[in-house]
Amino acid sequence: RKEVEQDPGPFNVPEGATVAFNCTYSNSASQSFFWYRQDCRKEPKLLMSVYSSGNEDGRFTAQLNRASQYISLLIRDSKLSDSATYLCVVNLNTDKLIFGTGTRLQVFP
Amino acid sequence: EADIYQTPRYLVIGTGKKITLECSQTMGHDKMYWYQQDPGMELHLIHYSYGVNSTEKGDLSSESTVSRIRTEHFPLTLESARPSHTSQYLCASGGHAYNSPLHFGNGTRLTVT
Repeated sequence: RKEVEQDPGPFNVPEGATVAFNCTYSNSASQSFFWYRQDCRKEPKLLMSVYSSGNEDGRFTAQLNRASQYISLLIRDSKLSDSATYLCVVNLNTDKLIFGTGTRLQVFP
Repeated sequence: EADIYQTPRYLVIGTGKKITLECSQTMGHDKMYWYQQDPGMELHLIHYSYGVNSTEKGDLSSESTVSRIRTEHFPLTLESARPSHTSQYLCASGGHAYNSPLHFGNGTRLTVT
């Protein structure tokens, strides 16, 4: 089983839709969690950290469920510019971050 | 915006050549990383460093080597490039705390002919 698993998608949604991605992790000792966004042929960029109590940044909401070992990302009011691959990242309290393979989102007009 | 820079941005080179991909960061980060990523595929960690004079191999076997003589500089070297090395190479750095995110450079797209 992979340490971090994501549905590769693609998720095809119309503008204005709400879309959610989940990411599961295998190691219960995982300490910190992030969502990154990666555009085609570009570097990953930090979208948001994920805090235990959940956190929101504009249209984006991240949640952590330690009991079921998953994190989620909710995007409200999707924009065309949200089209990208969303990477789930987990840290086991070491110096190595584990990246998921990413979930591709395509927002259409 | 993170201050981490990679050069060259694109490199096309013949088989057998020695190449060095440069990565520098101005944030004073101790931790630096090299990832390899093929188009549409996942990131693979090939090297990392916890600080000066510290280097470790990552999860993906690589024929490249790295050095960390200065905090800000983490170059990656291929002694003899092969077509199988064609890929995108991404450098990243992170702060000391375990929950520090990584900041990526804009990558070097390498093509070996």
